[in-house]
Amino acid sequence: AQSVTQLDSQVPVFEEAPVELRCNYSSSVSVYLFWYVQYPNQGLQLLLKYLSGSTLVKGINGFEAEFNKSQTSFHLRKPSVHISDTAEYFCAVSDQGGATNKLIFGTGTLLAVQP
Amino acid sequence: KAGVTQTPRYLIKTRGQQVTLSCSPISGHRSVSWYQQTPGQGLQFLFEYFSETQRNKGNFPGRFSGRQFSNSRSEMNVSTLELGDSALYLCASSPAGEVGNTIYFGEGSWLTVV
Repeated sequence: AQSVTQLDSQVPVFEEAPVELRCNYSSSVSVYLFWYVQYPNQGLQLLLKYLSGSTLVKGINGFEAEFNKSQTSFHLRKPSVHISDTAEYFCAVSDQGGATNKLIFGTGTLLAVQP
Repeated sequence: KAGVTQTPRYLIKTRGQQVTLSCSPISGHRSVSWYQQTPGQGLQFLFEYFSETQRNKGNFPGRFSGRQFSNSRSEMNVSTLELGDSALYLCASSPAGEVGNTIYFGEGSWLTVV
């Protein structure tokens, strides 16, 4: 079974500052990793995903994440945030060998960007 | 290309009633999944359908059911509603069955049980 831990429920940050949202996972099998963003009253939008290859993954809106297998982490980073980045961010995993698209989500991190 | 469409967007039901939520996936997508989102439990997987067959099911009671039609559209049903079923129900679709495909989410159906 897999599980995902997002260590911070809320991260306040000032506009134009860098930010890192942390994600750790636990799994007995190889997994694919995802970051989704949810704006108020909306569904989830994929920011980026790691399937294989380079451990540094670049996504939309200037976000990137680094897969660290030894630390079982997949932290999300952005060098300079904007007010419009205020949203809930979810880390998720899926079983590489599974036959379904089932995603296991973390509890989410609310990124609150202040002017 | 139209995204994942869910109807209705908002609904209020009374305890004991049943509800049916509808999802139209992105054109050409054959996999449809459903998730429940609540403040207390977060995002939880309900089930996935692929080519009209349920391929996986989460840990929810039998009151939660779903189906997929030949045009890939999907419905989920919750019978004998309880207060705890109040949640945002998200539908998601992906092009095919392979794990790792990008999964696209709809805006959800907000269900309030009173």
